[in-house]
Amino acid sequence: TQLLEQSPQFLSIQEGENLTVYCNSSSVFSSLQWYRQEPGEGPVLLVTVVTGGEVKKLKRLTFQFGDARKDSSLHITAAQPGDTGLYLCAGARGGSQGNLIFGKGTKLSVKP
Amino acid sequence: NAGVTQTPKFRVLKTGQSMTLLCAQDMNHEYMYWYRQDPGMGLRLIHYSVGEGTTAKGEVPDGYNVSRLKKQNFLLGLESAAPSQTSVYFCASRRRAGGNNEQFFGPGTRLTVL
Repeated sequence: TQLLEQSPQFLSIQEGENLTVYCNSSSVFSSLQWYRQEPGEGPVLLVTVVTGGEVKKLKRLTFQFGDARKDSSLHITAAQPGDTGLYLCAGARGGSQGNLIFGKGTKLSVKP
Repeated sequence: NAGVTQTPKFRVLKTGQSMTLLCAQDMNHEYMYWYRQDPGMGLRLIHYSVGEGTTAKGEVPDGYNVSRLKKQNFLLGLESAAPSQTSVYFCASRRRAGGNNEQFFGPGTRLTVL
């Protein structure tokens, strides 16, 4: 059962465009993370959001956690070719173990 | 610090063969994980460990076994490989407390079962 739905699955845009990636669930998460993965490498954490309604910014990337802690979005302003990669959202269900549930990912390609 | 390392990087097996994937971390993390990543499927948890000598099943444990004899190492075994186990395998680790659940990933092992 896929608990985290990411959309879109693929995204190909031109340099300078803006984009938003969505991560939705019917389940509540204690925290939600966004990872970025480049070909041939493991995922690397970009951000963790914990509080409902929380907004975090990382340079041109803006992350938001839904008020009910069931969904999140990643917005990239003025995308650059270096933003190309697979973006994964992952939710933690709480408890001491806090195992992560990953979405299927959004493959972003930014063309110069 | 090397972080999380995985060996081997690539492997080709024939159906029925066995192999062990090794994961090592030098961050003194308590928790360690094995995931598989397949096209269009995201990362799925195979097994995990919350400490030396303890292991638990994840979402897709069938056909795999694990051992955590030392805190820094987490081994993933395939006793009788099947083509359905062709995948990219990632190991990850994290601290027990704090760090907002951040998991640190290794570079992956690409396994092909013929």
